[in-house]
Amino acid sequence: DIQMTQSPASLSASLEEIVTITCQASQNIGNWLAWYQQKPGKSPQLLIYGTTSLADGVPSRFSGSRSGTQYSLKISRLQVEDIGIYYCQQASSTPTFGGGTKLELK
Amino acid sequence: QVTLKESGPGILQPSQTLSLTCTFSGFSLSTYGMGVGWIRQPSGKGLEWLANIWWDDDKYYNPSLKNRLTISKDTSNNQAFLKITNVDTADTATYYCARIRLTGSSFDYWGQGVMVTVSS
Repeated sequence: DIQMTQSPASLSASLEEIVTITCQASQNIGNWLAWYQQKPGKSPQLLIYGTTSLADGVPSRFSGSRSGTQYSLKISRLQVEDIGIYYCQQASSTPTFGGGTKLELK
Repeated sequence: QVTLKESGPGILQPSQTLSLTCTFSGFSLSTYGMGVGWIRQPSGKGLEWLANIWWDDDKYYNPSLKNRLTISKDTSNNQAFLKITNVDTADTATYYCARIRLTGSSFDYWGQGVMVTVSS
């Protein structure tokens, strides 16, 4: 199994702040990486696929990047509606999810 | 417009078999590159992928649960199914089905989820 180590587990940030969440893959997964946002009581929603491609309707303040086997999700200017839990998921082999990052407002 | 909706028994007893149904619209599981996956989430915990089924009937399972899982589909009725045998309390979770496409291999549309409780 490919393990996805996500950090931090929780994060407190202010409005308009830049937020970065990372996922470390245990082996090479190429660009087969997706990010999801889950708001309380709701289903996860796809934000980014293929490491950098924004899903339909996702605001441009969200972006994804990669450096080797480390993947990052960046929110350029945090908004109230961005609060929730974020998960990465590798799609290189049978899917595995990261442990999640809970993003709260400071 | 793509929609998916899960249905299940709500509550069942240990050692029973859990049967889940995903009824979807807006796409077809007979179309090249389309798939449906099942993912679960215990209350307050993270996401665990369970299984995928593809348009060509290819099936993939979580290795840690493979012996207990069976995924299937009914293309003409736009449904996908998941069975989990010999359940115990650790299988208590919200179960989601989601669409997956070969391009991107990410889950781009999700159902609302169905809560399943295993209790004696």
